[in-house]
Amino acid sequence: DTVLTQSPALAVSPGERVSISCRASEGVNSYMHWYQQKPGQQPKLLIYKASNLASGVPARFSGSGSGTDFTLTIDPVEADDTATYFCQQSWNEDTFGAGTKLELK
Amino acid sequence: EVQLVESGGGLVQPGRSMKLSCAASGFTFSNYGMAWVRQAPTKGLEWVATISYDGSSTYYRDSVKGRFTISRDNAKSTLYLQMNSLRSEDTATYYCTRETFYFDYWGQGVMVTVSS
Repeated sequence: DTVLTQSPALAVSPGERVSISCRASEGVNSYMHWYQQKPGQQPKLLIYKASNLASGVPARFSGSGSGTDFTLTIDPVEADDTATYFCQQSWNEDTFGAGTKLELK
Repeated sequence: EVQLVESGGGLVQPGRSMKLSCAASGFTFSNYGMAWVRQAPTKGLEWVATISYDGSSTYYRDSVKGRFTISRDNAKSTLYLQMNSLRSEDTATYYCTRETFYFDYWGQGVMVTVSS
């Protein structure tokens, strides 16, 4: 299985820029996708195929990377962005990262 | 508006069976692959199974192969997950998702608890 490694948690202040990383144990081409999940809700697609913004997602969110290293950037961060962010690869059998919990100071 | 509405969850004893359903609307169901993704309490997301747009191909994670069966009825725009020989580690919220390399729409989820 392709293992995706994410930092467990980050804390930032509103208005700042934050980068959330995801490292794959093997190359996944550009087949990396990002989701936001707020408590008690289903996940929501933010970015697909590394850098494409999903429909209705604010332009504050962006994605970059290829191969094994990928980044989700939020700039500027807003209070409503408090959530857990998951990466997912679909180059091999679908796997997800463990998630990065974003908290606001 | 795309809607995915799961049903059929609840409490079940280990070794027993349960069938989940997902009613889809707001898009042409027969044009899309579909999948089930689950999330154990306070844990991360785990892909469970995928079915192609026409039902001809199915894929499963190793831990559910031989126990779970994904299927679909395109005439009813409904996705199913038949779960047999359930184990405590199958306890999770199960999400119905539309899949196109990524999961672009998710249902609200249905809880399955496997316990005696």
